[in-house]
Amino acid sequence: DTEVTQTPKHLVMGMTNKKSLKCEQHMGHRAMYWYKQKAKKPPELMFVYSYEKLSINESVPSRFSPECPNSSLLNLHLHALQPEDSALYLCASSPGQGRMNTEAFFGQGTRLTVV
Amino acid sequence: DQQVKQNSPSLSVQEGRISILNCDYTNSMFDYFLWYKKYPAEGPTFLISISSIKDKNEDGRFTVFLNKSAKHLSLHIVPSQPGDSAVYFCAARGMDSSYKLIFGSGTRLLVRP
Repeated sequence: DTEVTQTPKHLVMGMTNKKSLKCEQHMGHRAMYWYKQKAKKPPELMFVYSYEKLSINESVPSRFSPECPNSSLLNLHLHALQPEDSALYLCASSPGQGRMNTEAFFGQGTRLTVV
Repeated sequence: DQQVKQNSPSLSVQEGRISILNCDYTNSMFDYFLWYKKYPAEGPTFLISISSIKDKNEDGRFTVFLNKSAKHLSLHIVPSQPGDSAVYFCAARGMDSSYKLIFGSGTRLLVRP
């Protein structure tokens, strides 16, 4: 199994809603990532979890709250988002150490629209 | 300030010919480079990588060349196939962290039958 599975695929939410994005992998990877990608732009790193601990937060606003319940799961909790937060949110995973760590596997993404 | 640049937003080639996608970078501390391919409505898929200690890496129809002095890398696809039509992202990793990838803005490749 070389898949990273993200749910939901599409999400429309109001600015006062609370929602969560979910990501799952069963490759035994120990590093998991959240990226944000706006249209016609490259993916931008948001968070990195390494061995279930938050290791990188790229100065992301607190309305985005990551959670790593175990080594296979990664969540992104959303609250009080703005329309400019509408984007494709990509989850990725990688082994966690060694040279191969950089070659991350990406999920299909969640297309988020904030209205 | 973009540390990884893909200056060609699009490229169109005939099936069977060579596709050459280019990438420039500014940070001399990058030590590992990757190419990802992305189809619409899918996440990026890892294609090929190269360490800064090498100048060439080949995998089937895909070859990546690295010119460290010019801070330039390129991806060659030979022969190009219609199924190669996608957006190709160049990415680079800094020596300080194996987790942080800096992506270029992407090049949309169209392979015409």
